[in-house]
Amino acid sequence: DSGVTQTPKHLITATGQRVTLRCSPRSGDLSVYWYQQSLDQGLQFLIQYYNGEERAKGNILERFSAQQFPDLHSELNLSSLELGDSALYFCASSVGGRATGELFFGEGSRLTVL
Amino acid sequence: AQTVTQSQPEMSVQEAETVTLSCTYDTSESDYYLFWYKQPPSRQMILVIRQEAYKQQNATENRFSVNFQKAAKSFSLKISDSQLGDAAMYFCAPQAMRFGAGTRLTVKP
Repeated sequence: DSGVTQTPKHLITATGQRVTLRCSPRSGDLSVYWYQQSLDQGLQFLIQYYNGEERAKGNILERFSAQQFPDLHSELNLSSLELGDSALYFCASSVGGRATGELFFGEGSRLTVL
Repeated sequence: AQTVTQSQPEMSVQEAETVTLSCTYDTSESDYYLFWYKQPPSRQMILVIRQEAYKQQNATENRFSVNFQKAAKSFSLKISDSQLGDAAMYFCAPQAMRFGAGTRLTVKP
């Protein structure tokens, strides 16, 4: 158990819809990272938050947005969903804000867009 | 863009044998860590081993060890006495934002 909690574990929705994925980091971790993993692909970095502030941005679509709340949990919002958004979305946390720190991963949220 | 290259999309090893997975990267950092993560069929990401770049000694965790060549920006993972449970995707990560494309390891009984 990494200590990182992601909900929901599975989500099925239709094209055009909007969903929210939630992540609670390990106790004491200030950074939250979001990744997208399409079928049999590597991890694509989407965005990092550190202590409530956006720290780094990757290949995140404009239809996607994220935030980190004062209690340090984070939410990833995906809107106007397309078939190609079907993927496993991982959240990871780390203690500091540097991108060189050890990551602790949640179990992922599997999104299926029909 | 800074790249991470895992040149072996797939590797196969006989049970109890040794296999080495390669990774090269580029970075402008002078002080950094490198990681290998394992992703079994359950899709959970599991840290295998990490190396601190300022340490000359290669990291070792039980059957897993690395060959870190800082000047060459190379960070390979050696798995000794391979077990069936080692079958997974392995990702090299010199940084949280950058993961390699992965190497799928098959272990043959």
